[in-house]
Amino acid sequence: ETGVTQSPTHLIKTRGQQVTLRCSSQSGHNTVSWYQQALGQGPQFIFQYYREEENGRGNFPPRFSGLQFPNYSSELNVNALELDDSALYLCASSVGPGIQYFGAGTRLSVL
Amino acid sequence: TQLLEQSPQFLSIQEGENLTVYCNSSSVFSSLQWYRQEPGEGPVLLVTVVTGGEVKKLKRLTFQFGDARKDSSLHITAAQPGDTGLYLCAGEDGSSNTGKLIFGQGTTLQVKP
Repeated sequence: ETGVTQSPTHLIKTRGQQVTLRCSSQSGHNTVSWYQQALGQGPQFIFQYYREEENGRGNFPPRFSGLQFPNYSSELNVNALELDDSALYLCASSVGPGIQYFGAGTRLSVL
Repeated sequence: TQLLEQSPQFLSIQEGENLTVYCNSSSVFSSLQWYRQEPGEGPVLLVTVVTGGEVKKLKRLTFQFGDARKDSSLHITAAQPGDTGLYLCAGEDGSSNTGKLIFGQGTTLQVKP
């Protein structure tokens, strides 16, 4: 139990739709990182938020966006969903660049 | 672009056997972490290695960081069915201040009773 919770656990969307995934960080953690894990692959870094500001971004298009709130919870938004967006989306909370604690993920299926 | 190559990708062994998983890169990492992930769960941190040549032991698991901090290995002695899972290595990207993790593609381990 890492203290990081994600919702929903599963989601089915159709191509072109928009989706919002949520993450509640471990208490006291001011940093949240989002990763995409395709089936059979390791997670890939999407972006990180530190104190409500984006603090680093991976190789993902602008239709992937995020927010971090004053209580350090976070959202990942994906617009214009594509079939290849089907994956497990993981968030990880930390204190700055310290050890990251992962949630159980949201499984997104795009049909 | 920093990449981590894990091998093997799949491993199916009998209970009691030993195994080694490798994680290699041409890049230097400030630290390297090993995670275990079970179906429907997020990765759970097993160990972090920081110093070149460092060896850490966690019960039957032995982790080693290469002298040049570009590679690492995970050795499991006398594997048990409870060791079954996806093992991931992840390097910390020291070029940024984000603690961004670069993951290998993972090794799926199945230990048969």
